[in-house]
Amino acid sequence: QVQLVQSGAEVKKPGASVKVSCKASGYTFTNYDINWVRQATGQGLEWMGWMNPNNGFTGAAQKFQGRVTMTRNISIYTAYMEVSGLTSEDTAVYYCARRSDFLTGRIDPWGQGTLVTVSS
Amino acid sequence: SYELTQPRSVSVALGQTARITCGGNNIGTKTVHWYQQRPGQAPVLVIFSDTNRPSGIPERFSGSKSGSAATLTISRAQAGDEADYYCQVWDISTAWMVFGGGTKLTVL
Repeated sequence: QVQLVQSGAEVKKPGASVKVSCKASGYTFTNYDINWVRQATGQGLEWMGWMNPNNGFTGAAQKFQGRVTMTRNISIYTAYMEVSGLTSEDTAVYYCARRSDFLTGRIDPWGQGTLVTVSS
Repeated sequence: SYELTQPRSVSVALGQTARITCGGNNIGTKTVHWYQQRPGQAPVLVIFSDTNRPSGIPERFSGSKSGSAATLTISRAQAGDEADYYCQVWDISTAWMVFGGGTKLTVL
């Protein structure tokens, strides 16, 4: 079955960077964009950006431009998202999700989430 | 930037029908998807492209849309339906994805 499995929880200090991985299985990795969405505790879903695994093209929400880097390793079907310059406001669960319909933006399935805690 | 508006909370009696709305400018021209998120879990797609139900989602879940709002309807509500529900669109003009603020459904 189509599945996305993310890396484990991270604890980082303010100013540091974090890199979260998302390993895909059950489909051809290069055929579908990977999106990243985060959720602070008790808050809603916040879209961060997308990456086309085939050509490496990316797009990010305005507030994350310049601070988020999305990459991939096609040989191991894995997408990565790195966030730099962490502050306490970046403490959240980060999800990767496959955009299963390019035109409508439907995203399915989602990874299990990775908790990133930023604390001094 | 485009915004989607949802009520923060909706309550429904056990076995009754819950309706969760999602409003946005000219939403009638956009394709709306709905996700269910139970506490501590990742979101799950429950309705795609306004009215379609993925395999495995009960028929009790349905979607509709008018010119001013999209609606997620949950019939014969069960305790297991208690969750947060989010609507989502893809704004093709900016290539950005937009989520509504989420609605907490409580089954009484």
